[in-house]
Amino acid sequence: NAGVTQTPKFRVLKTGQSMTLLCAQDMNHEYMYWYRQDPGMGLRLIHYSVGEGTTAKGEVPDGYNVSRLKKQNFLLGLESAAPSQTSVYFCASKEAGDNEQFFGPGTRLTVL
Amino acid sequence: GQQLNQSPQSMFIQEGEDVSMNCTSSSIFNTWLWYKQDPGEGPVLLIALYKAGELTSNGRLTAQFGITRKDSFLNISASIPSDVGIYFCAGQNSSYKLIFGSGTRLLVRP
Repeated sequence: NAGVTQTPKFRVLKTGQSMTLLCAQDMNHEYMYWYRQDPGMGLRLIHYSVGEGTTAKGEVPDGYNVSRLKKQNFLLGLESAAPSQTSVYFCASKEAGDNEQFFGPGTRLTVL
Repeated sequence: GQQLNQSPQSMFIQEGEDVSMNCTSSSIFNTWLWYKQDPGEGPVLLIALYKAGELTSNGRLTAQFGITRKDSFLNISASIPSDVGIYFCAGQNSSYKLIFGSGTRLLVRP
């Protein structure tokens, strides 16, 4: 099992550009999450999904959209990137009824 | 919203020393979890706590779920260089969302 994978690993965008971050998990988990990690602020939940075809807002959803068309994939989109979205983005998944979230290796995004 | 206060923010210790870090919350949690993040990686679960007062060990790590359900601590005994990383506490009430602390950055001097 590869676990949770994220692509790309690094990306530099200019203000106003758009991009999509892809998260894939091969553990057949129901729940998937997108977090951002900023210095001194821990992990903050952007959006999450409790099953294929469902999404919900987390703590900091503004400026992001997500889609869960397939159970194994969770996409995070930035329609018009802003410098405030410079961060490290982590995807995670877990099985319903379990507590442990499994994290991907992260995507480091810089918006100039 | 719920917030977790994690302290200390960072620690720089000598190899072999013991380490203690804690998290406090203004709200009650049903579950406390402790994660470790190695440099350049995603967080990995170390210990999960499910009952108030519970004390759980995992090798050199020991964690406790506070009696009030509003706090938890993590101890690392006899630290080694590979303990370097960021340690996060996380509290859970709902079945699907975690609230993370801001992290404790641990550096170990050989």
